[in-house]
Formats: sequence, structure tokens, C-alpha cells
Amino acid sequence: QKEVEQDPGPLSVPEGAIVSLNCTYSNSAFQYFMWYRQYSRKGPELLMYTYSSGNKEDGRFTAQVDKSSKYISLFIRDSQPSDSATYLCAMSEVSGGSYIPTFGRGTSLIVHP
Amino acid sequence: ETGVTQTPRHLVMGMTNKKSLKCEQHLGHNAMYWYKQSAKKPLELMFVYSLEERVENNSVPSRFSPECPNSSHLFLHLHTLQPEDSALYLCASSQDGQGSDTQYFGPGTRLTVL
Repeated sequence: QKEVEQDPGPLSVPEGAIVSLNCTYSNSAFQYFMWYRQYSRKGPELLMYTYSSGNKEDGRFTAQVDKSSKYISLFIRDSQPSDSATYLCAMSEVSGGSYIPTFGRGTSLIVHP
Repeated sequence: ETGVTQTPRHLVMGMTNKKSLKCEQHLGHNAMYWYKQSAKKPLELMFVYSLEERVENNSVPSRFSPECPNSSHLFLHLHTLQPEDSALYLCASSQDGQGSDTQYFGPGTRLTVL
């Protein structure tokens, strides 16, 4: 079993839809959870960052972490064509040493007008 | 120039060539990373440098050789690569290389090995 599972998609939705992107993981030691957005021919950029469980909201984006289920989600409200990109989840353990994140494969999202 | 820059953006090389990828960060960070991104696979961490010392080497083949002359610059030297090494190579930096850090990525170098 891979440490982080993420459906690669593509996920195609109409403009204005609510999008739900998800990752599951197996390592219960993960404490930091991130979502990155990667446009074509660009490097990933951090969208949301959550420590431990709970929800975090930033504009149209909401990140949820359910540690009991080892499941994280990113919701996008009122999706726009400009949201079309690959979304990567990433997570890491609490550690005093070096930062070794584990990434999902990424989900390709297409928002059509 | 701000953020993390990488050169070249595209590189085509034969299996017997030697080339180098360059990364520069303008964020005042102390940790830098090399990742490999292949189609339909998760990002693979290759090397981590913190305060110019290598702290992680994820069993990367010796045909990849990193160099970190200072906290702002990172190189990846390539020699006798294989076609399966064709991928997007991403550089990233973070403040101190800790678990709570945010990583900032460059645009990547698209490498094709013939």
C-alpha cells in the first residue's frame, strides 16, 4: 500500500461547481498536511497548510483533515476555469530533523466554462 | 528577481553527455531540495541540503550528483543518464528544513534523455 493515495483523475466539472479533492494516507505519524496547485509547465505552489486535525478556510478554498480516518480533503467553491491545474496533497511528520514530505500523485482538475 | 529560479528550463541530452542543472533562491532560506517529477508518479525527493550540508540522500543513483556551494545556490550534475531519467526536475527551498516549513518551488527543468 502506498503511503499517500490520490486519484489522478482527470476530474472535469462545469464552472461554478463545488470541487472535492481527496487523499488518504497510512502513516499515523503525519501531522502537517499541505495542498499544492501546479499549473502546466510550472512548479507547485502552496495553497493550504494545516497542522493536525480540523478545517481551514481561505477564500474559496477549504482544507479538511480527519486524522481518525487518515483522510484529507480540499474543497473549491464557485470553481473557475483558472482553477484548472493539478492539485497535489503532501504531508509530513513532526520532526526535529530534516523535512521529508510525502506527496500524492496529484489530481488533474479541469473546470470548463 | 524573486522566488526560486531554475536554469535551463528545457534540456535534451544524450546518454554519454555531462550537464548541470542550476537552482537559485532569493528568499533567504537555509534549506534547498531537488525533486524528480515523472508522469503519473508522486514527487520523489532526491536530495535535501540544510545550511549547505546534505542531510538526506534517498538512494539516488550516483549518476546524479548534487552540489550546494552556499545557501542560495544548488546544482544537480548529470552524467551517463538513462532514458528513464527523463522527467521534470524541481528545485525547492524552505526556511530551515523543518517539518513545519513551507516549501517554495521553482518552475523546473524538463529533461529529456535520448
